[in-house]
Amino acid sequence: DVKVTQSSRYLVKRTGEKVFLECVQDMDHENMFWYRQDPGLGLRLIYFSYDVKMKEKGDIPEGYSVSREKKERFSLILESASTNQTSMYLCASSFGGGKNIQYFGAGTRLSVL
Amino acid sequence: AQTVTQSQPEMSVQEAETVTLSCTYDTSESDYYLFWYKQPPSRQMILVIRQEAYKQQNATENRFSVNFQKAAKSFSLKISDSQLGDAAMYFCAYPKGNNDMRFGAGTRLTVKP
Repeated sequence: DVKVTQSSRYLVKRTGEKVFLECVQDMDHENMFWYRQDPGLGLRLIYFSYDVKMKEKGDIPEGYSVSREKKERFSLILESASTNQTSMYLCASSFGGGKNIQYFGAGTRLSVL
Repeated sequence: AQTVTQSQPEMSVQEAETVTLSCTYDTSESDYYLFWYKQPPSRQMILVIRQEAYKQQNATENRFSVNFQKAAKSFSLKISDSQLGDAAMYFCAYPKGNNDMRFGAGTRLTVKP
């Protein structure tokens, strides 16, 4: 079974803190994704990566950056957390794009106070 | 502009009954895939079913089937013999481009015993 592991289920941070969300997949997938999930808005893509050190912006990249130094690990970074970044963050991976199934982690619920 | 539209924020169904969740999408492509994902409460998102647009036959996975109307750009999910474990958020998704997956806002399904 494909396993996508997010390092934290719940995080509480202060405004202005630098926040790291980590995601690891064990299926040698090329593609990895970070989504933000908010009620009524579904999932919105923040960034995705199609190879090590490669990244592309999604729909809502402002206030976020990413890092992919190894194929299995994809990190989402909030440089200076703000209250409007309080949300559920989902990581996913897939073998290729388009028709390929995305496999999701359990999510990290981030609260910024 | 939203690519995928789920017009039913919430639905409920009696156990053992059938329910249909609606989804419409917008594309100019002729060959593509469509997905339904399920997110149970506090659990990770998993694939329910996938439809290939060039196949006229509707996809089926046990109690889950789709009604795919390509000309109408409609992709509804039918759940037969609903079970308590079917209670979840359901997301319709469409890959836009090679890597970008677009999700609808989701439909929360409640199953009444």
